[in-house]
Amino acid sequence: NAGVTQTPKFRILKIGQSMTLQCAQDMNHNYMYWYRQDPGMGLKLIYYSVGAGITDKGEVPNGYNVSRSTTEDFPLRLELAAPSQTSVYFCASSSSDRADEQFFGPGTRLTVL
Amino acid sequence: DAKTTQPPSMDCAEGRAANLPCNHSTISGNEYVYWYRQIHSQGPQYIIHGLKNNETNEMASLIITEDRKSSTLILPHATLRDTAVYYCIVKSRAGNMLTFGGGTRLMVKP
Repeated sequence: NAGVTQTPKFRILKIGQSMTLQCAQDMNHNYMYWYRQDPGMGLKLIYYSVGAGITDKGEVPNGYNVSRSTTEDFPLRLELAAPSQTSVYFCASSSSDRADEQFFGPGTRLTVL
Repeated sequence: DAKTTQPPSMDCAEGRAANLPCNHSTISGNEYVYWYRQIHSQGPQYIIHGLKNNETNEMASLIITEDRKSSTLILPHATLRDTAVYYCIVKSRAGNMLTFGGGTRLMVKP
């Protein structure tokens, strides 16, 4: 199993540009999550999904959108990128019966200039 | 979810046991204690969790005090690869948000 994969690993955006961060998992997990981690800080939850077609906001959803059309994929969309969105983004997944044992991807390091 | 308090940093000699404390004095009866770690530049990794009994797995042991107001994560024989930030998280099974605070930066030294 590849586990949780994320692409790209690094990206530099200009202010106002948009992009999609990709996340996929091959563990047949129902639950998927997007977190961001600013330098020297803990992780903050952006959005999560408990199954295909179902998404919900986390702690810091402003400026982001998500969709969940399949169990495997959970892309995160940034519209109108701002410098405040410079961060490392982590995707995670878990099974519904062990939701708090989350498996994390390697992260995407995003810089907005 | 209850708030947790952890020391910002600790050192441990390679091969010795690393004992990482966590204070969660406001924990509720239905809240579990979870431990994750984050090795530099990687995503967090689940380690162990418990409710009130001590737990052990292949990675670590979790000791929870009888009043559940504090806990200790024990890495029995720390290696250099255990150098990481360790997060103690208190959470009920309801809800979907893991709250990662500052954690403890463990440095394992040769």
